[in-house]
Formats: sequence, structure tokens, C-alpha cells
Amino acid sequence: SAVISQKPSRDICQRGTSLTIQCQVDSQVTMMFWYRQQPGQSLTLIATANQGSEATYESGFVIDKFPISRPNLTFSTLTVSNMSPEDSSIYLCSVEGRQGGETQYFGPGTRLLVL
Amino acid sequence: RKEVEQDPGPFNVPEGATVAFNCTYSNSASQSFFWYRQDCRKEPKLLMSVYSSGNEDGRFTAQLNRASQYISLLIRDSKLSDSATYLCAVIPTGGFKTIFGAGTRLFVKA
Repeated sequence: SAVISQKPSRDICQRGTSLTIQCQVDSQVTMMFWYRQQPGQSLTLIATANQGSEATYESGFVIDKFPISRPNLTFSTLTVSNMSPEDSSIYLCSVEGRQGGETQYFGPGTRLLVL
Repeated sequence: RKEVEQDPGPFNVPEGATVAFNCTYSNSASQSFFWYRQDCRKEPKLLMSVYSSGNEDGRFTAQLNRASQYISLLIRDSKLSDSATYLCAVIPTGGFKTIFGAGTRLFVKA
């Protein structure tokens, strides 16, 4: 399995500000995914991040609000821009299993509270 | 209709009990199925894949019913440590994105 770390693990932010979440993987992976999980809700895919190309966003998520960088095969960032209390959630990055398997491995998540 | 639906529970069962969860999916062309486990305030982790022929891993048995478009997870001889949220997950045919259910919460009591 992949070892994934995320920074920060949690944060409390003021509305209107932005937060960048970092995701680091211990091995090179082709695809990285960013999810949001609100209390009692399912994991909602925000976007898929591939190295060397723009991220692919799911319906309801836009690049201006959630810009993503993928500078190399082991790292990605997600920025939550111009935050509002509705952005309070857990944000998780994930990667495919080794050898391109369909299972996914998740980072520990970033708990975000927007006041 | 949600793409993947689960009974949110919670299921409260005593130690040693057998408990079963079902999960339905709407896309009949789905190709791959999984159960993940998520402990409180932790990230989801793969519990087991679900194969057409059904599969078993110790006390856990997963089954797939393509005709009725549901997957199930059976836990026998429940342990306190089984308390968690169980997420079912589906990958549509030709796709790579995993679609997760909202999860079923299980509490195992002494």
C-alpha cells in the first residue's frame, strides 16, 4: 500500500481566506484524487489530478474555487479559495494502488473549519 | 437517485452477533466493487474487494448480485473492534473513478 501524508491535518480559517492542502505520496503514482467528506456524508470526488496536465473537475467543482497543482508524480496541492462556512469539511487525497490497481489508498485527511 | 446507496444505520449489535449490510448501485454497467472501512476520525481503508463469485476473508463475507444490483457484507462473530463505518464503493465499466456510498455505521457492544 502507498503511504500518504497530508498537511495541515486540521485548520480553522476565517471566511474569505484561502487554504492550501498538501499531499505527499511515498512512491510515484499516475493519478491522484481529491475528495471532500462532510459529516455523515459520502466521499465526494472534487477532481482528478494528473501530472503534466490540468486537473479534471467533477460536476459542481470549479478550478477557480479549488485550484490544484500536480508538479510531479509524488505530490499535489488543493487550494480552497475564498472560503465560506459551507467549505467546512474533511479533505482527503487518495491514490490508486500500486501497479495501477483499482483500490484506493487515502491520506489521513485535513479537517477544515471555516468561521 | 444516488449512484450508490446504503442504509446509514446505525446498527447496534452485541459481541458475537452476525450482521449484514447491503448496498445498491444504479449503474448496471459497473465493473468493480469494494467494501472500505472507516474508523472514527480516520481515513477510509480497503476492507475487501467483491468478486462475482463472492469472497470470504475470515469473519467477513462479501457477495455481489448483479441482477439486483447490490452488494452485501456479512460480519460473523462481531468484535468490539469491528465498530466503524463501512463504505461500499463501485467503479463503472470503462471508468476509473470510485463512487462511494455514504456508509453504514456499526456499533458492537460488549
